[in-house]
Amino acid sequence: QVQLQESGPGLVEPSGTLSLTCAVSGDSISRANWWIWVRQPPGKGPEWIGEVSPGGTTNYNPSLEGRVTISVAKSSNQFSLRLTSVTAADTAAYYCARQLPSCSNGLCGVDPWGQGTLVTVSS
Amino acid sequence: QSVLTQPPSVSAAPGQKVTISCSGSISNIGSHYVSWYQQVPGTAPKLLIYDNYKRPSGIPDRFSASKSGASATLGITGLQTGDEADYFCGTWDRGLSAGVFGGGTKLTVL
Repeated sequence: QVQLQESGPGLVEPSGTLSLTCAVSGDSISRANWWIWVRQPPGKGPEWIGEVSPGGTTNYNPSLEGRVTISVAKSSNQFSLRLTSVTAADTAAYYCARQLPSCSNGLCGVDPWGQGTLVTVSS
Repeated sequence: QSVLTQPPSVSAAPGQKVTISCSGSISNIGSHYVSWYQQVPGTAPKLLIYDNYKRPSGIPDRFSASKSGASATLGITGLQTGDEADYFCGTWDRGLSAGVFGGGTKLTVL
């Protein structure tokens, strides 16, 4: 079955750049319409960060627009997240996930999810 | 503050039924599919319901969901201690052109 695994630094300095990669295994990244990043601050509900299609089309959360970039690397079956000018408010568990292949747009169902990686913004 | 509103907590005894509400607006729940997730603290969310009411393979029929207007409801029957977790709803918001989630509801099985 499809599995996702996040990787990247667990500690980022304020004003720095958060960079994470999601490795997809078990299927081709081209077989789903959207690949998603979600974050969840400690003790809070999830926040949708954005999504990327296998062809590179992106949609971002307006609250993060201008700071976030999501990209895809089909040749390595991976997609990535880049968030600039981070502050303590960006401290969260970051998850990569897949929109169900049956879903062409919207947020009809997200599965599977990666195990998540905690990123702390601190000096 | 989340775009979708859920009660912070619900509780019920083992074997009983519980419902969790998710309230939104015409621009999100009223216009798009709703999904529901279960999250045991410290672990990744797990998809319970997609396309408003459909269950993925492996999810027991004790879990059900419905949608009416700008609100959605998750129901869990035959509660088990293993159902203790956080539950949250998700959908698309056409005004924001973004995915949105509820703040989550903590289920306690007394």
